[in-house]
Parts: sequence; C-alpha cells; structure tokens
Amino acid sequence: GAVVSQHPSWVICKSGTSVKIECRSLDFQATTMFWYRQFPKQSLMLMATSNEGSKATYEQGVEKDKFLINHASLTLSTLTVTSAHPEDSSFYICSASPSGGSYEQYFGPGTRLTVT
Amino acid sequence: KNQVEQSPQSLIILEGKNCTLQCNYTVSPFSNLRWYKQDTGRGPVSLTIMTFSENTKSNGRYTATLDADTKQSSLHITASQLSDSASYICVVIRWAGNNRKLIWGLGTSLAVNP
Repeated sequence: GAVVSQHPSWVICKSGTSVKIECRSLDFQATTMFWYRQFPKQSLMLMATSNEGSKATYEQGVEKDKFLINHASLTLSTLTVTSAHPEDSSFYICSASPSGGSYEQYFGPGTRLTVT
Repeated sequence: KNQVEQSPQSLIILEGKNCTLQCNYTVSPFSNLRWYKQDTGRGPVSLTIMTFSENTKSNGRYTATLDADTKQSSLHITASQLSDSASYICVVIRWAGNNRKLIWGLGTSLAVNP
C-alpha cells in the first residue's frame, strides 16, 4: 500500500516551453502533497506544499508564477514548469501524506527534467 | 541553526560486510528522525522512523539507533548485498507549533562491491 506515482518519469523539453508533471496517490487519499527538487549529489529541497482545494505554499526563493501547482483532487497534484530554462533541469520528486492527520510522507519515483 | 550532517560522504564495502552510517543533528524542537534509502534516479524509501524515546529500531538487516541527548543517530547495515548500493539519507522532523518541517541531510553514498 501507500504507492505514489509520477508521470512522466523523464522528459526533455526546449527552452521557453512549459512541461507538466503529475503526482498521484494510487491507493490512498492525500490531503497534502509536497514537491521537491534535487540536484546531483544534493539533498532534496522542498519547493512547495499543496493542500487539496487551496493554494500551494511555496518555500522562500521558489517562484510561484514559474512553478504552478494544482491540487484539484485528493489523489492528484500537478507541477507545471513554465517557460523552462536549462537551469530548471533537475530531478523533481513529489510526496503525499494520507488524509486523516497522518504525517507520514510517501515519495514518488521522481521525474527527470532536461531543458535543452 | 537547524542542520543534519551525515558521515561518511561516501563508502565502499564488499558484499557480505557490515557498515555503519552516522547522522548528527542540531534540529530543535525535535519530533522524530527517519532514515531513507534512495536508489539512483528514484524517490526515497523510508527505512526507519524513530521518536524521541526510542533508542533502537530494526527493519530487516537495517538497525537504526538514536541518542537524543547527544543528537546522534546511526544506521547499521548487516551482511550487505549488492542491492544495498544507494544513497542513505537522514531526515530530522522539526515540529514547532503548527509548522512541521523536514530537515534533510546530504546522504551517504554506499557502494557494495562483489
């Protein structure tokens, strides 16, 4: 149980385009989902916290207009990287916390984004 | 400053050998400490979760210890296997009021060679 999926697993896009990454909790409902970014040989960095039905909370230094987060249902959150630049190339990981007060986070397999 | 430091940064061992990874933290207030295994190109997978009152917790060949007084934790891997090759990350959860925050270490990169 507690499986989180991400789609796509990897994506290559051109500079200036937008790309959407999906995060789904497959066997549980998640009121809260988290989006992380990880650069090579670095730890995960929290980008934003999204709660179903409300606006996401972004960490300091993360541009909310560039990284659009939508958490429209209890099983799906999306991250859209708008006007992508090569420096946005990174490994994006989502996690989900089950509804009902659990603070456990289950992580997705990650999405490798390469912007050319 | 709330920090999590891990050592060693990287480690190479032979299959079948044991190893111990270290985690020191300065996070306060402390809620709990977790060890994750992250395979290359994959998301983290939880190995153990330790609360303030727990000293030792095992999960198969993984045994984690916690000394809340010295703010140190270790992860011991017994009889290592090739599939243990991964990054092992120590995460300390800081809980202040209604704000819960994960403080991530940089991880120890473990390579198990045949």
